[in-house]
Amino acid sequence: EVQLVESGGGLVQPGGSLRLSCAASGFSVSDNYMTWVRQAPGKGLEWVSVIYTGGSTYYADSVKGRFSISRDNSNNTVYLQMNNLRAEDTARYYCARSWYADYWGQGTLVTVSS
Amino acid sequence: EIMLTQSPDFQSVTPKENVTITCRASQSIGSSLHWYQQKPDQSPKLLIKYASQSFSGVPSRFSGSGSGTDFTLTINDLEAEDAATYYCHQSSGLPTFGQGTRLEIK
Repeated sequence: EVQLVESGGGLVQPGGSLRLSCAASGFSVSDNYMTWVRQAPGKGLEWVSVIYTGGSTYYADSVKGRFSISRDNSNNTVYLQMNNLRAEDTARYYCARSWYADYWGQGTLVTVSS
Repeated sequence: EIMLTQSPDFQSVTPKENVTITCRASQSIGSSLHWYQQKPDQSPKLLIKYASQSFSGVPSRFSGSGSGTDFTLTINDLEAEDAATYYCHQSSGLPTFGQGTRLEIK
């Protein structure tokens, strides 16, 4: 059974950092495109980042230079390192599998506030 | 960036009606368009991939069509459980989502 479990969210001050984790089971993250999508409270879905099977990474303009996606094949986990956080980064962060996001985790909430 | 515009933003319908939600892309994306359903306090769920391919386990009353820049999601014979927000998503270029369509069942 395919399962994705995000963790690492919490309350952080503006300018701070967090690292989100997405632990996968039922498939290999190294064999799939893995994506992070976020949703601010009461708002729609916003694509954040993707890591390709070959390791290439891409980011939304809103997070470029501040966020970094990576994966650990041995732990079958994808990460999102978030630096220099801003209030507008407050959102629930979801990881999803594949280019068409067939499976999603339950999300982890990130709140950026002083 | 490829923009996706959904219409309508909100629709209130009665059970057993048929509903069509449209998604227009700012440039041609072939068939790289996917549809999701999100209920309150839940993660999005894939309904349709690549414009018209139903995802496993999705009821047959959900269908998708279109290519290029214009796409539709059709829900036939609406049920109360279909109350949700529906999003389109393109994977032709860097991914983007539509703004969402909230469906209320009267």
